[in-house]
Amino acid sequence: QKEVEQNSGPLSVPEGAIASLNCTYSDRGSQSFFWYRQYSGKSPELIMSIYSNGDKEDGRFTAQLNKASQYVSLLIRDSQPSDSATYLCAVFSGTGGFKTIFGAGTRLFVKA
Amino acid sequence: NAGVMQNPRHLVRRRGQEARLRCSPMKGHSHVYWYRQLPEEGLKFMVYLQKENIIDESGMPKERFSAEFPKEGPSILRIQQVVRGDSAAYFCASSPQGSYYEQYFGPGTRLTVT
Repeated sequence: QKEVEQNSGPLSVPEGAIASLNCTYSDRGSQSFFWYRQYSGKSPELIMSIYSNGDKEDGRFTAQLNKASQYVSLLIRDSQPSDSATYLCAVFSGTGGFKTIFGAGTRLFVKA
Repeated sequence: NAGVMQNPRHLVRRRGQEARLRCSPMKGHSHVYWYRQLPEEGLKFMVYLQKENIIDESGMPKERFSAEFPKEGPSILRIQQVVRGDSAAYFCASSPQGSYYEQYFGPGTRLTVT
């Protein structure tokens, strides 16, 4: 079982729709959860972080965390073509080491 | 711009040569991380350092790779006797103390081994 799993996509949504990106993780001791956006040929950019169960909203982005289900998601409202990128889920554990594990990413296409 | 800086941005080495990749963290950040990304693949953790200390190197290959973050100057990722399989993008990230490990990435170094 991969430590951080994401659907590789591509996920295609029309402009203005809600894009829903999902991620599961295997380490129950995980403490911190992040979403990064990576455009082709560029470096990852931190867009959301979440540490406790529930929802966290920032502009058009909402991160959701459910530690009991070991599940974290990212919702993008009013999707724009500029949101087309690969979205990386990242999980920091702190148990058995101090590394952040990244999922393989979900490619999102927003059609104009 | 006080972001994470990496140099060089592109590096070409012949097989058997050494590659040195440099990373200067954001101002005020004391934690540095190195990742490798192969084309169409995810980020693979390599090493986590604080000033003068290696905190977690569980992702580093046992041979040819080393990393340091001296008291003064940038963090260095060193690859000795490079092989074609080392060709990848190498990203450095930094985070401040007590940040729940929010990491901010540099632009990366694209290493090509010929």
